[in-house]
Amino acid sequence: AQTVTQSQPEMSVQEAETVTLSCTYDTSESDYYLFWYKQPPSRQMILVIRQEAYKQQNATENRFSVNFQKAAKSFSLKISDSQLGDAAMYFCASQGGSEKLVFGKGTKLTVNP
Amino acid sequence: DTGVSQNPRHKITKRGQNVTFRCDPISEHNRLYWYRQTLGQGPEFLTYFQNEAQLEKSRLLSDRFSAERPKGSFSTLEIQRTEQGDSAMYLCASSTGTGIDEQYFGPGTRLTVT
Repeated sequence: AQTVTQSQPEMSVQEAETVTLSCTYDTSESDYYLFWYKQPPSRQMILVIRQEAYKQQNATENRFSVNFQKAAKSFSLKISDSQLGDAAMYFCASQGGSEKLVFGKGTKLTVNP
Repeated sequence: DTGVSQNPRHKITKRGQNVTFRCDPISEHNRLYWYRQTLGQGPEFLTYFQNEAQLEKSRLLSDRFSAERPKGSFSTLEIQRTEQGDSAMYLCASSTGTGIDEQYFGPGTRLTVT
């Protein structure tokens, strides 16, 4: 069984600053994928970034990057130059051995002007 | 590409009633997924379809829940004899079924059982 743990229920960051959201996971699969999804208030969930477990290079998408530590089963998300529009719930998710996504409980990010 | 749509967006029902939700995936997406999200939690997987075939069901999906995807297009999720514990956001997602296979989510149907 896969599990995903997000230990930070809430985080806050000043506009233009950098914030890191933590995620740990557990899986017995050798081939799996990891994702960060963003869910703005009353809006639908969208994919922020994804990482294939077999790739050693950390994924990057514009201001968003991950720190993937496979041995430690850690997958943190770094948001640089934070913007007001980044305020949302952020969910870490894993997928492996099945098509379903397994989500963590989420981290609520507040961006202060 | 109009995105994944779900109807209704909100549903209030009394305990014991049956409800049905509809999901229209992105056209030509072969896979369709249902998740349930309760307050303060991440989404939990319920079931998924590859075309019209239901390939996996979670143990969360009790016998009061049934999902269909006739002709491999839209899908319906029916809950019979609703209970207060069924109150949640029901999310639908679709994907192409190829490659990394990103799941695209709809806006959800919020169910309140009174």
